[in-house]
Amino acid sequence: NAGVMQNPRHLVRRRGQEARLRCSPMKGHSHVYWYRQLPEEGLKFMVYLQKENIIDESGMPKERFSAEFPKEGPSILRIQQVVRGDSAAYFCASSPAASSNNEQFFGPGTRLTVL
Amino acid sequence: GESVGLHLPTLSVQEGDNSIINCAYSNSASDYFIWYKQESGKGPQFIIDIRSNMDKRQGQRVTVLLNKTVKHLSLQIAATQPGDSAVYFCAENSGGSYIPTFGRGTSLIVHP
Repeated sequence: NAGVMQNPRHLVRRRGQEARLRCSPMKGHSHVYWYRQLPEEGLKFMVYLQKENIIDESGMPKERFSAEFPKEGPSILRIQQVVRGDSAAYFCASSPAASSNNEQFFGPGTRLTVL
Repeated sequence: GESVGLHLPTLSVQEGDNSIINCAYSNSASDYFIWYKQESGKGPQFIIDIRSNMDKRQGQRVTVLLNKTVKHLSLQIAATQPGDSAVYFCAENSGGSYIPTFGRGTSLIVHP
């Protein structure tokens, strides 16, 4: 049973380009969460999605950032017109259901570097 | 485990010693707590959790203690091994929220 998968593991973009980060949840999990982590800091929540629905995007910047979790395929976090401040590790987690007592399983992360 | 300054709090121990990593939380409504381990270049990995109706929970070589009076959480690792070297995060869920709030983390360094 594969865990949460993220790709690419490392992504380098120049300022102004677009970054697309993919996340495939664990089998049987229909809830996906995206987090961002700066060096030597904790994880900051960005967005929570279920299949075809954004449930909570309160942690995601209003501009340039978007996320989706289509009926088929992985969840995508998209960052348009990247800036140097977008450089960070982006982690995806999944859970089988939305509950305050549910463990979230994390992927290995995508490390985005903006030149 | 308090977040101060620009660098992660660090705990250095010798192999075989017991380690205690601390975490303070601020939301008295938090009712579910998790400890995660994050090794360099990897995603956080679940270690152990505890609900607010408990004071203590034990796993394999790890124990989590919860003091709701002072809003304090600790992770005890027995017989620490070099493979335990990582950053440890506490996370809390409050009032039915499905989004955990992560602490800043403590770096554990185990010397052989």
